[in-house]
Amino acid sequence: AQTVTQSQPEMSVQEAETVTLSCTYDTSESDYYLFWYKQPPSRQMILVIRQEAYKQQNATENRFSVNFQKAAKSFSLKISDSQLGDAAMYFCAYRSALGQGGSEKLVFGKGTKLTVNP
Amino acid sequence: GAVVSQHPSRVICKSGTSVKIECRSLDFQATTMFWYRQFPKQSLMLMATSNEGSKATYEQGVEKDKFLINHASLTLSTLTVTSAHPEDSSFYICSARDMWENTEAFFGQGTRLTVV
Repeated sequence: AQTVTQSQPEMSVQEAETVTLSCTYDTSESDYYLFWYKQPPSRQMILVIRQEAYKQQNATENRFSVNFQKAAKSFSLKISDSQLGDAAMYFCAYRSALGQGGSEKLVFGKGTKLTVNP
Repeated sequence: GAVVSQHPSRVICKSGTSVKIECRSLDFQATTMFWYRQFPKQSLMLMATSNEGSKATYEQGVEKDKFLINHASLTLSTLTVTSAHPEDSSFYICSARDMWENTEAFFGQGTRLTVV
């Protein structure tokens, strides 16, 4: 079974600075998807960024980018120019690609609480 | 992006009663929906996978007779908490994936259940 580990229960960053959240995972599959979700105080889960394992290029969405190291099974999230609205819980998640014989379900890490200081 | 609507957002019920939570995909069809439970300051715990037209698949340790799941159409799944007790109080979240798109799952707003 796949597992996702987020080793940082809490992180803080100064407004306008850059912060990196760590995520490692364990799988024997070759094709899969990795996600970062944000959960603000409203508790609505919001997709931040997605990475397909077959793509070597790291995904980028505006101020958010990932460092995907497939061999190391590492998937970190970098937030640049941090804003107060970035404060939230961040969850790293894994999903098997269809056709791999694995489950469609998302496997979540335990989350990292990000605080942004003004 | 795709929208998943979950209703109600908050519900308070008396111990021993049942409560139904709805999860609707508003602009896409979903053969599979997922139900999660989230305790305070914890991650999402998958309870069950809801499959349209067939029985749900429950995760180990989840009582299927207590948490009844029905997925009667491609846009609606319901979770019924039967004979609710205070320990069932929690935040419940559903998610759904577009059956035609191999993309991310979209989440509902969540339901805060309080059993008194």
